[in-house]
Amino acid sequence: EAQVTQNPRYLITVTGKKLTVTCSQNMNHEYMSWYRQDPGLGLRQIYYSMNVEVTDKGDVPEGYKVSRKEKRNFPLILESPSPNQTSLYFCASGLSPVYEQYFGPGTRLTVT
Amino acid sequence: GESVGLHLPTLSVQEGDNSIINCAYSNSASDYFIWYKQESGKGPQFIIDIRSNMDKRQGQRVTVLLNKTVKHLSLQIAATQPGDSAVYFCAELNSGGSNYKLTFGKGTLLTVNP
Repeated sequence: EAQVTQNPRYLITVTGKKLTVTCSQNMNHEYMSWYRQDPGLGLRQIYYSMNVEVTDKGDVPEGYKVSRKEKRNFPLILESPSPNQTSLYFCASGLSPVYEQYFGPGTRLTVT
Repeated sequence: GESVGLHLPTLSVQEGDNSIINCAYSNSASDYFIWYKQESGKGPQFIIDIRSNMDKRQGQRVTVLLNKTVKHLSLQIAATQPGDSAVYFCAELNSGGSNYKLTFGKGTLLTVNP
C-alpha cells in the first residue's frame, strides 16, 4: 500500500531535550516536506527536499533541522525543543512540488 | 472564504446542495494551485489541482475555478454529502521561482447537514 508513515504519532517531551520525528514514504517520490499545523494558522511549511541531499527552508524553519540521506526518509529534528514548537506535524511526499502531495497521519508534539 | 484572523471560516450546507468554498491567494506569480480536504484526525488529502494556464478544471463532483485577475480560487462541490464535511485548504506555489515553497491558506470548515 502506497503510504507516508510518521513516528511517533504522539510525543510529550520537555524543553531542550533533542528529538527526531521520522518520516518514510514507499512511493519513490523525490519531493518531501514537513509542515506544522496550528489552530487559526493552517499548514505552514517548515522544510522541503527536492531530492537526496537537497533540502531548503520553508516558511517557518527556525528551530528545526532536516536531512535527506535516502530517498524514502526525511526526518525532522528538533535539537532543543521549546514550548512554541508544540504543534501537529505532517510529513508529505510527491513526485514533485507541482503534483499532489501525499500526507502522513500526523505527529502531535507537546513540549512542556 | 479564507481567514485573515484566528477564526476558521465556516460553511454550512444541506445534503444535496452545491457548495462553494473560496480562497484568495497572495502571490501573483503563483502558477500552481491545489485543494486539499482534511477530515478530523487525519492528514490532508488531495482533491484537485489547476495550473495557471487554465481557468477551470473539473473532477468527480468537484470543479476548481481560477481567476488570476483578482487572485481568487474557488472549489465547487456538487451534490454535497455528509462525507464531504471537513476542513478545505487551498495552496499556491510559484514553480518558476527560486524555491518550491507550497503556501497554504488557513482553511474553511464545511459542515454538511443531513
